[in-house]
Amino acid sequence: KNQVEQSPQSLIILEGKNCTLQCNYTVSPFSNLRWYKQDTGRGPVSLTIMTFSENTKSNGRYTATLDADTKQSSLHITASQLSDSASYICVVSDYRGSTLGRLYFGRGTQLTVWP
Amino acid sequence: DVKVTQSSRYLVKRTGEKVFLECVQDMDHENMFWYRQDPGLGLRLIYFSYDVKMKEKGDIPEGYSVSREKKERFSLILESASTNQTSMYLCASTGWDLNSPLHFGNGTRLTVT
Repeated sequence: KNQVEQSPQSLIILEGKNCTLQCNYTVSPFSNLRWYKQDTGRGPVSLTIMTFSENTKSNGRYTATLDADTKQSSLHITASQLSDSASYICVVSDYRGSTLGRLYFGRGTQLTVWP
Repeated sequence: DVKVTQSSRYLVKRTGEKVFLECVQDMDHENMFWYRQDPGLGLRLIYFSYDVKMKEKGDIPEGYSVSREKKERFSLILESASTNQTSMYLCASTGWDLNSPLHFGNGTRLTVT
């Protein structure tokens, strides 16, 4: 069964600290893995998309890693800011040739950054 | 920037009412989606459309229908609203590039009383 599991479910850190969020998946065949940030009351916004051949991808203070062999990804946030408080959602797309893959959503990690 | 606009941020409807949720995107995307998001469950796909007048059921289509008469507009219809349809509804769009992101609207929080 294709699934995406995220950990931890929630996390509290102090402003300025780093943190790492985890995503494990069983989706096969694999096409790409995405990380989204969802602020309270808003729709998710894309942070990164990684394909099979990409091990790491950065977007400002956000760095995502992908290990396609172990089917694990992480999202590392450096020097956290209050505005990083949000839910972070891991999404994996399966491969369906030339058509769009089906997306499998994790349940998200709720990050709270305290001053 | 891609903009996906959902017509209402908050809606309160009564049980049995017919409810229309509207979504418009401005990037000429072929693919549009409706999701619902509930605490602890993540996003679940209701319906999607890959072209005008085309639609496909997602994982939880029961109690919903959709309409796509124009490329930029995708409507979600609750034929007879029920309390278990109280949720956050998110519309999204994307093109045909397999590695392009979904662009989401800011959601409609629907309460059915």
